[in-house]
Amino acid sequence: DAGVIQSPRHEVTEMGQEVTLRCKPISGHNSLFWYRQTMMRGLELLIYFNNNVPIDDSGMPEDRFSAKMPNASFSTLKIQPSEPRDSAVYFCASSLRTRGYTFGSGTRLTVV
Amino acid sequence: GENVEQHPSTLSVQEGDSAVIKCTYSDSASNYFPWYKQELGKRPQLIIDIRSNVGEKKDQRIAVTLNKTAKHFSLHITETQPEDSAVYFCAAADSNYQLIWGAGTKLIIKP
Repeated sequence: DAGVIQSPRHEVTEMGQEVTLRCKPISGHNSLFWYRQTMMRGLELLIYFNNNVPIDDSGMPEDRFSAKMPNASFSTLKIQPSEPRDSAVYFCASSLRTRGYTFGSGTRLTVV
Repeated sequence: GENVEQHPSTLSVQEGDSAVIKCTYSDSASNYFPWYKQELGKRPQLIIDIRSNVGEKKDQRIAVTLNKTAKHFSLHITETQPEDSAVYFCAAADSNYQLIWGAGTKLIIKP
């Protein structure tokens, strides 16, 4: 099993541009989570899906952020337009219900 | 909803000594408690977990204890080594099996 796969690993973009982060969960896992991590705010849950359905998006900071899970093997997190304060490491994680999460390697986003 | 508090925020110990990190939770219905280790620049990785029907679990130099009555659980690392330096996160699973995270403890192992 290749684990949770995220792309890209690093992204540098200019303020105002659209950014799309991608995640492939572990096959068979039915929950998927998007987290943002910064030094100041730590690990923040943005949104999570159960069986491809968004369950809780209360952590999404504002309307510039959106997430989709069109099927069990793929999810995207989109920021449009991006701002410098969005700079962070974005982690995707997946799990089977009642089990621990497996995290991807993360995407380090820098908005200049 | 569930709330998890973690202490201390930073812990510095001499190599070879033991380290203990403590967490408390608020929801008595929580029944799953994992611990994650995050090395600098890497992803959080599960190192040990415990369920509410067990009071203690060990894996080599790492152990976790759970006190359901007091609603707290702890991570114990014995014979610490330089590679134990990392940030450690505790978490508790709420009734929806969503993990609620502690704020993290930065463990520093002094040579």
